[in-house]
Amino acid sequence: NAGVMQNPRHLVRRRGQEARLRCSPMKGHSHVYWYRQLPEEGLKFMVYLQKENIIDESGMPKERFSAEFPKEGPSILRIQQVVRGDSAAYFCASSPRGTGGAGEQYFGPGTRLTVT
Amino acid sequence: QKEVEQNSGPLSVPEGAIASLNCTYSDRGSQSFFWYRQYSGKSPELIMSIYSNGDKEDGRFTAQLNKASQYVSLLIRDSQPSDSATYLCAVKDFGNEKLTFGTGTRLTIIP
Repeated sequence: NAGVMQNPRHLVRRRGQEARLRCSPMKGHSHVYWYRQLPEEGLKFMVYLQKENIIDESGMPKERFSAEFPKEGPSILRIQQVVRGDSAAYFCASSPRGTGGAGEQYFGPGTRLTVT
Repeated sequence: QKEVEQNSGPLSVPEGAIASLNCTYSDRGSQSFFWYRQYSGKSPELIMSIYSNGDKEDGRFTAQLNKASQYVSLLIRDSQPSDSATYLCAVKDFGNEKLTFGTGTRLTIIP
């Protein structure tokens, strides 16, 4: 299966713990995007990364959230000291093209984070 | 702030009829437009993309774009119960890779 892969699919964390969400893009894709979908709300852009570079993090909360896409391995979205308001579905998408292109984005299955 | 507006629905359409989904956007700089389908509890699935004014057809789906009116629509012909889902409109600016989504229209196809 050459689709976008995300793991874990479900993650439960207690308040104050750290959450790590992983995303492997589609084969041949080098651009990764993270989106968050809060219950009963729309999808919101968080961050756009290429290998070893954060290109646009305008949608990332200023504190506790970080993202990386290392040269080797999956992209990781890290949430430190989680709070109940972080409970949401986190989707990763990938595309084969970057700036200037139409760049259709294909979504992974998502990680559903529940903070207790 | 850029906005993408969709009627939240629910929109109910009899099986076999045409479902029409509408989306307006506020930023004239928007260049690329996408329709995604999202089943409950699942991830968004890309259905159509459109970049130029006019119509684009793919099977039972037709996307229509009118940049002067800042309006994009999705028509689903011969609607099937399996088309029941939330349809998300998304726009992207040239040179800016992030998608801005509407809140989606919930479509129900009535057998």
